Amino acid sequence: GDSVTQMEGPVTLSEEAFLTINCTYTATGYPSLFWYVQYPGEGLQLLLKATKADDKGSNKGFEATYRKETTSFHLEKGSVQVSDSAVYFCALFYTGRRALTFGSGTRLQVQP
Amino acid sequence: EAGVAQSPRYKIIEKRQSVAFWCNPISGHATLYWYQQILGQGPKLLIQFQNNGVVDDSQLPKDRFSAERLKGVDSTLKIQPAKLEDSAVYLCASSWTSGGPVETQYFGPGTRLLVL
Repeated sequence: GDSVTQMEGPVTLSEEAFLTINCTYTATGYPSLFWYVQYPGEGLQLLLKATKADDKGSNKGFEATYRKETTSFHLEKGSVQVSDSAVYFCALFYTGRRALTFGSGTRLQVQP
Repeated sequence: EAGVAQSPRYKIIEKRQSVAFWCNPISGHATLYWYQQILGQGPKLLIQFQNNGVVDDSQLPKDRFSAERLKGVDSTLKIQPAKLEDSAVYLCASSWTSGGPVETQYFGPGTRLLVL
C-alpha cells in the first residue's frame, strides 16, 4: 500500500539557518503530494502541494519539488524564523484511495 | 469563511465508557473525513463521507467505532466502549467536492481524547 516516510525529529536550527526536511513516498500510480504544518495548539494547515512530477510547490518561503525518479518531496526553506517552529507533515493523495496518507511528522524548533 | 468546527476540544473518560465527537465542516463542502492521530504519528483516516454516504470506512474499528452524517452536513463520531489505545486526537476535515487529486482538505482543531 501507499506510505510516506519522513526524517525523524526534532530538528533544531538557529534563526536564519537553511532547512531541509526529507520526505519519500511509496505509491501505486501517480499521487499528489502535500506538506501540512501544525503550529502549537492549532489544526493542520496546508503549506504547499504539487500534483505531478517536476512540479514545485511554494508558500511562505517554503519550497518542495515532486521528484518522481527518487519518489521524494523534500521541504526546504532558505532562512527559517522562530515563528516557523511547528510540526511538519508530508502527505500523499492517491486518487485510488481518495484520502490523505500522512508521514509521522517532523518537529522543527527554531532558536533565536 | 468559517473553518471546520469540532467539539469538545478535550475529553477524559475511563475505559469502557462511551464518548462522542462532533464536527461541522465548512459550508458547502460535500466531503467530510475523520482522522485519528496518535501521539508521535501522522493522522490516519478512519472514515470518509461524501454528502451523507460512506465512501471509505475500511480502517474504522467497527466493533467499537461508529460515525454518521445524517443530513450531509455535520457529523458525529462515537466510540463505545473506549479502550486505552483510543487515546488520540480526532481530527475532522472537509473538502469542496468529491476528493479529486488537487483538492485541499481543511482541518478542524481536533478533539484530544484521553482514556484512563
